[in-house]
Parts: sequence; C-alpha cells; structure tokens
Amino acid sequence: AQKVTQAQTEISVVEKEDVTLDCVYETRDTTYYLFWYKQPPSGELVFLIRRNSFDEQNEISGRYSWNFQKSTSSFNFTITASQVVDSAVYFCALSGGATNKLIFGTGTLLAVQP
Amino acid sequence: DVKVTQSSRYLVKRTGEKVFLECVQDMDHENMFWYRQDPGLGLRLIYFSYDVKMKEKGDIPEGYSVSREKKERFSLILESASTNQTSMYLCASTPDRDHFTDTQYFGPGTRLTVL
Repeated sequence: AQKVTQAQTEISVVEKEDVTLDCVYETRDTTYYLFWYKQPPSGELVFLIRRNSFDEQNEISGRYSWNFQKSTSSFNFTITASQVVDSAVYFCALSGGATNKLIFGTGTLLAVQP
Repeated sequence: DVKVTQSSRYLVKRTGEKVFLECVQDMDHENMFWYRQDPGLGLRLIYFSYDVKMKEKGDIPEGYSVSREKKERFSLILESASTNQTSMYLCASTPDRDHFTDTQYFGPGTRLTVL
C-alpha cells in the first residue's frame, strides 16, 4: 500500500532561520511521482513541485529546495531564510502505480515568527 | 494559468439538508476530484470524474454523490447533511484522462459547517 508520512505536525521558527520539512513515503511501484503543496491560511492548495521517481537530482527554486533520496524513501523540503509569508501548512503527496491516486501526508504546520 | 473556482468559501447548513458544492475549471481539464480535509487526516478523496457523466468512488464516498453534466463543472452533493460532514472541501482538476499523476490544481476550498 502507498503511504506518506509527515512526522512533524507543527514547526515554529524565527524569521531568517532555515527549516526542513520531512516527508517519508512507502510504495512498491518503480514509477511514481512526489509532490509538495503549500496551503496558506486562505485555504487554497498551491502546487510547489512535482518530481518523478527516476529523477533524483535535487531541485532549487529561490529559497526553496528539495532533497529526493530513494535509498531512504524521503523527499524533504527546505526553506532557506524563512519569511513570515512562508507560514502555512505544507503537504507532501505521492501518486503512481495501479491506483494512480494522489495520497497525501497529514501536513506540517509551519509558523514563522517575525 | 489554471483556474479552479468553488461556489462558496463558507457554508453553514442544518442537519438533514441537501447540500450542493459546485466546482468549475476553465482549462478544459478532463479529470476532476473532490477531497475533504480534516485536521490530522490530510486530504482524503471522496469522488473523481474522468469524463462527462463518468464518476468513480474515492476512499470515502459514503454520504456523498457527484454530478458532472458538463466538462468544466463537477458538483458534490450531500443528500442529507450530517454533523460529521463538517469539513473543508477541496476540488481539483488535471488535464489528461489517462494521467492521474499529473499535477492537480486546486480550488480555494469550501468550509462547510453542519449544525
């Protein structure tokens, strides 16, 4: 069965700190996709990244970076020099295989204090 | 840009009422999805549709039905609302019928309270 675990329920940091959000997944499929979404207080899920299982290169987009490691089944998300606007719930998700459904983790609430 | 809209941001209904949640996407996407989001549970799939008049049950379809009469519109129906259906409801869409692994684009959500 497919599963996504975000063990960190809540994280609180002070502005300008770096923060890493953990995501561990389980799947028996060889082809799958991993996603990160951001949900600010307004409620809408904002797509951040999609990565397929054959691409283990790390990705950097401005202050955001993602570390994909198949050996540990992890797809961690790091925000560098956090800002108050980064405060949100962040979801990691997995898709692929026979069901093709998008399986979400339970989310991590990030609070960035000024 | 993909635009997914939902008819209401906040909705308050009474137990036993029939409730309609509407979702519209403007990018000619084939697949549409309804999720509910509850604290500590993440997002759970209720129903999805890969074509007009087609629907498939997700993980928690009990107490819900759906309707897709037009490609751009996907409605979630609570036939007789109950208090345990108080939740945030999110609609999403993806472009290609055969590729559920495409990025899902979400609407702003409807926060439903059933009294």
